[in-house]
Amino acid sequence: AQSVTQPDIHITVSEGASLELRCNYSYGATPYLFWYVQSPGQGLQLLLKYFSGDTLVQGIKGFEAEFKRSQSSFNLRKPSVHWSDAAEYFCAVAANRDDKIIFGKGTRLHILP
Amino acid sequence: DGGITQSPKYLFRKEGQNVTLSCEQNLNHDAMYWYRQDPGQGLRLIYYSQIVNDFQKGDIAEGYSVSREKKESFPLTVTSAQKNPTAFYLCASIQGWGRTEAFFGQGTRLTVV
Repeated sequence: AQSVTQPDIHITVSEGASLELRCNYSYGATPYLFWYVQSPGQGLQLLLKYFSGDTLVQGIKGFEAEFKRSQSSFNLRKPSVHWSDAAEYFCAVAANRDDKIIFGKGTRLHILP
Repeated sequence: DGGITQSPKYLFRKEGQNVTLSCEQNLNHDAMYWYRQDPGQGLRLIYYSQIVNDFQKGDIAEGYSVSREKKESFPLTVTSAQKNPTAFYLCASIQGWGRTEAFFGQGTRLTVV
């Protein structure tokens, strides 16, 4: 069965600094990959997704992610974070387009002023 | 506006009582999901339904039950058999058949006292 690992439970960066959140998946083929963001007490919002094609995908709010098959990774990046980016970020995977979506345990992002 | 609605936002119940959480969507999506979220655990899949009158157990289905009598509705019952029901519950819908992106409700926080 597929699984998702987010190795960092908490990440703290200064406002204006660059950000990279790590995500590794475990699956033989190329899965469908997602990054979601959650503000406290709210539902999840999709930031970006990768199904196929260009391995660098652009999302909303200035985020991007790069799919690296050789490393089974799908890391999320942002060149300059804003205080409003403080939230919890979830990486997710589906084995194929009709399969259930499995989520990682999340990374909570803290922003220093 | 199309969307997915969970109600109520906060729910309190006494131990030993069954409680039903509502999830309604007007997106005409085929698939609907229930996740449970606990601090540090990410989202864990309880039940999902790809089509009306059919549903499958997720990773933590014990103590929960669902029904899918209408495409728009996917209620979740937390039974007295669920040993630790206090949690944040998230409902999601997916268009189905190749459109894997999940749209989430705002969640229901259930507290059992």
